[in-house]
Amino acid sequence: IAGITQAPTSQILAAGRRMTLRCTQDMRHNAMYWYRQDLGLGLRLIHYSNTAGTTGKGEVPDGYSVSRANTDDFPLTLASAVPSQTSVYFCASGQGALETQYFGPGTRLLVL
Amino acid sequence: DAKTTQPPSMDCAEGRAANLPCNHSTISGNEYVYWYRQIHSQGPQYIIHGLKNNETNEMASLIITEDRKSSTLILPHATLRDTAVYYCIVRVANTNAGKSTFGDGTTLTVKP
Repeated sequence: IAGITQAPTSQILAAGRRMTLRCTQDMRHNAMYWYRQDLGLGLRLIHYSNTAGTTGKGEVPDGYSVSRANTDDFPLTLASAVPSQTSVYFCASGQGALETQYFGPGTRLLVL
Repeated sequence: DAKTTQPPSMDCAEGRAANLPCNHSTISGNEYVYWYRQIHSQGPQYIIHGLKNNETNEMASLIITEDRKSSTLILPHATLRDTAVYYCIVRVANTNAGKSTFGDGTTLTVKP
């Protein structure tokens, strides 16, 4: 069982470029999340999805978009990257009444 | 969801119990207390959760005060591998996934 996978593991990106971070889970969880974590700080919610076909904005959604075409995949897109989006991005999924979250290994993004 | 307050850092001697406090004075009756931890550069990992009663699993114990305004995560015999950032979160179960926020947590350093 893979759990949650994220790709790429790390990326250096020129400012202004478009980038999609991939997230796939094989646990059939309904809810999925994208967080960013800046150096030395906690996680901040970017976007979330309660079920396939629905998405919502978290604390820091500006500059990011998501889609949830099916249960397993939840890609995060930066339409035009800026240096302030340099961060570590974690995807997570959750299921059940208590919805414990399971996190992926993260994507380290550097925008220059 | 209720806000939580945690000390920014704590030290613990290897083999001793680590007691990590969390204040959640505005917690409401249907909000659960969750604990996660994040070992350096990895995705956060679920530890334990509870509503009213104290809980124990193979990783830790959770003590919730009778008025539910605070809780303590106990690692009974801390090891060097328990060095991590520990996050205390309160949220209503089985609700909108957008209600999912992590604070800055407590950095626990286990020393030999």
